[in-house]
Amino acid sequence: KQEVTQIPAALSVPEGENLVLNCSFTDSAIYNLQWFRQDPGKGLTSLLLIQSSQREQTSGRLNASLDKSSGRSTLYIAASQPGDSATYLCAGHNDYKLSFGAGTTVTVRA
Amino acid sequence: EAQVTQNPRYLITVTGKKLTVTCSQNMNHEYMSWYRQDPGLGLRQIYYSMNVEVTDKGDVPEGYKVSRKEKRNFPLILESPSPNQTSLYFCASSQSTGVADTQYFGPGTRLTVL
Repeated sequence: KQEVTQIPAALSVPEGENLVLNCSFTDSAIYNLQWFRQDPGKGLTSLLLIQSSQREQTSGRLNASLDKSSGRSTLYIAASQPGDSATYLCAGHNDYKLSFGAGTTVTVRA
Repeated sequence: EAQVTQNPRYLITVTGKKLTVTCSQNMNHEYMSWYRQDPGLGLRQIYYSMNVEVTDKGDVPEGYKVSRKEKRNFPLILESPSPNQTSLYFCASSQSTGVADTQYFGPGTRLTVL
């Protein structure tokens, strides 16, 4: 059974600092690894999807890497802004289902 | 607009009173699933459906039922709700379960069982 862990649970940074969010998973036989953003009281929005054959994906200020051998993924957010404040969730896709981490709640201070 | 919709968004009910949370997607997606989100536990999958008339249990199926009679709809049924089913519920869909298929989530249903 896939276990996904995200550390730290919360993070507070000043505006402009780069963010590094970590995700680890136990089963390397994943189809893909997805990163989501969740705003308070809202649903999840997909940010990036990294297929199992890929090492990284980029979208604007966001870059996500995947290392299956070590069971790790990292989400980098460059030059953080107050609007980046949210909870970020990673999920490993195995055997027709997603297994989620508990998330990292990010606060970007103006 | 491509979207996943859920109804109701908020529901307060009492123990034992049967309820249904509806989920509908307009993207012609094959795969749909239900999750519950609880503080400190993240999202856990309840049930999923690969296609019409094909459903299977996720990690926490006890106390829930689903059906997939039409491609676009995937209702979640609580036959006899209990307080431990108080949670935030999300429906999600994707084109299939391929390596490049992104999951799209509904806005969530906050359920309180008294």
